[in-house]
Amino acid sequence: DVKVTQSSRYLVKRTGEKVFLECVQDMDHENMFWYRQDPGLGLRLIYFSYDVKMKEKGDIPEGYSVSREKKERFSLILESASTNQTSMYLCASSSGGFNTEAFFGQGTRLTVV
Amino acid sequence: AQTVTQSQPEMSVQEAETVTLSCTYDTSESDYYLFWYKQPPSRQMILVIRQEAYKQQNATENRFSVNFQKAAKSFSLKISDSQLGDAAMYFCASSELSGGSNYKLTFGKGTLLTVNP
Repeated sequence: DVKVTQSSRYLVKRTGEKVFLECVQDMDHENMFWYRQDPGLGLRLIYFSYDVKMKEKGDIPEGYSVSREKKERFSLILESASTNQTSMYLCASSSGGFNTEAFFGQGTRLTVV
Repeated sequence: AQTVTQSQPEMSVQEAETVTLSCTYDTSESDYYLFWYKQPPSRQMILVIRQEAYKQQNATENRFSVNFQKAAKSFSLKISDSQLGDAAMYFCASSELSGGSNYKLTFGKGTLLTVNP
């Protein structure tokens, strides 16, 4: 079974801290995605990556950056966390093209205080 | 840019009955895929069903089926013989190319389904 693992299920950080959310997949997938999920807003795409060291902005990239140094790992970075970045963050991966299923991690609920 | 709209924030159904969740989408692409994902209280998102835009036949997976109306850009999910385990947030999603060979997966806002015993 495909497994997508997010490093933390719950995280509490202070305003202004640099925050790293880590995601690892074990199926050699080319594509990886970071979404944030907020009540009433659904899932919004922050960044995605289709290859090592490659990245593209999603719909809400402001305040975030990403890193993909190895194929299996995709990190989301909050350079200076703010309270409006309190949210649920979901990582996903998929192989092949746009017809393939995306597999999700269990999410990280981040609270910025 | 692709958009996905789910107009029903919440729905409820009696156990063993049928419920339909609505989804409309907008895209300028001629080839794309549509998906329904389920997110139970455990937060683990899983794929329920997928549909290719070029296929006229509606996809079916056991008790789950879709009504795909391409001209109307509508993609509804029907759940038959609803079970307590079907209670979850359901997300409609579309996938289309985003420059070159890369693709984006765009989600709607979700519909929270409650199943009453």
